[in-house]
Amino acid sequence: SQTIHQWPATLVQPVGSPLSLECTVEGTSNPNLYWYRQAAGRGLQLLFYSVGIGQISSEVPQNLSASRPQDRQFILSSKKLLLSDSGFYLCAWRSGGAPTQYFGPGTRLTVL
Amino acid sequence: AQSVTQLGSHVSVSEGALVLLRCNYSSSVPPYLFWYVQYPNQGLQLLLKYTTGATLVKGINGFEAEFKKSETSFHLTKPSAHMSDAAEYFCAVSDILTGGGNKLTFGTGTQLKVEL
Repeated sequence: SQTIHQWPATLVQPVGSPLSLECTVEGTSNPNLYWYRQAAGRGLQLLFYSVGIGQISSEVPQNLSASRPQDRQFILSSKKLLLSDSGFYLCAWRSGGAPTQYFGPGTRLTVL
Repeated sequence: AQSVTQLGSHVSVSEGALVLLRCNYSSSVPPYLFWYVQYPNQGLQLLLKYTTGATLVKGINGFEAEFKKSETSFHLTKPSAHMSDAAEYFCAVSDILTGGGNKLTFGTGTQLKVEL
């Protein structure tokens, strides 16, 4: 069966510091991968998605970037965090031929 | 672009009572529709989905939803609420991305409270 991992589970970072969040999927190959952010009062927002290694598409221009160095690894990064980057970050995967997305456990990021 | 409207950001029911969470969507093509549940500080868990075929779909934990094309609705129901059902529920519609793959457009969520 497929599983999706995210780490860290929680993170507290100062403004201006870098960020790296990691997501890995097991039990499938060539998944579509997604990063969402859930901020208070703003619902779920798609940030990035990837249909293959090295292929990244951005939905919302912002202070963040994403990379996919391996087939089942998706990384969310920032060079300098802003207060507005605080939120709950969710990674999701989808099998190429099916519409359903499956979510990871999330990372709670607090920028102080 | 697709959109989803969830009526009622907060719903409160008594334990054992019917749960009804409303979802309406707009879509220019036959939609794929989903309900997810989120417990505090956890990821989203798939409750059920409609893709094609039978319009009444059953999911986990006794939940079901009916796709009504004429009403552009996909309301979530459960005959008898349990305390463990207290969570936030999200309705979503699938859309196609220009770069390939699909995208889920979510409603703003409904917080379900179950009271004794």
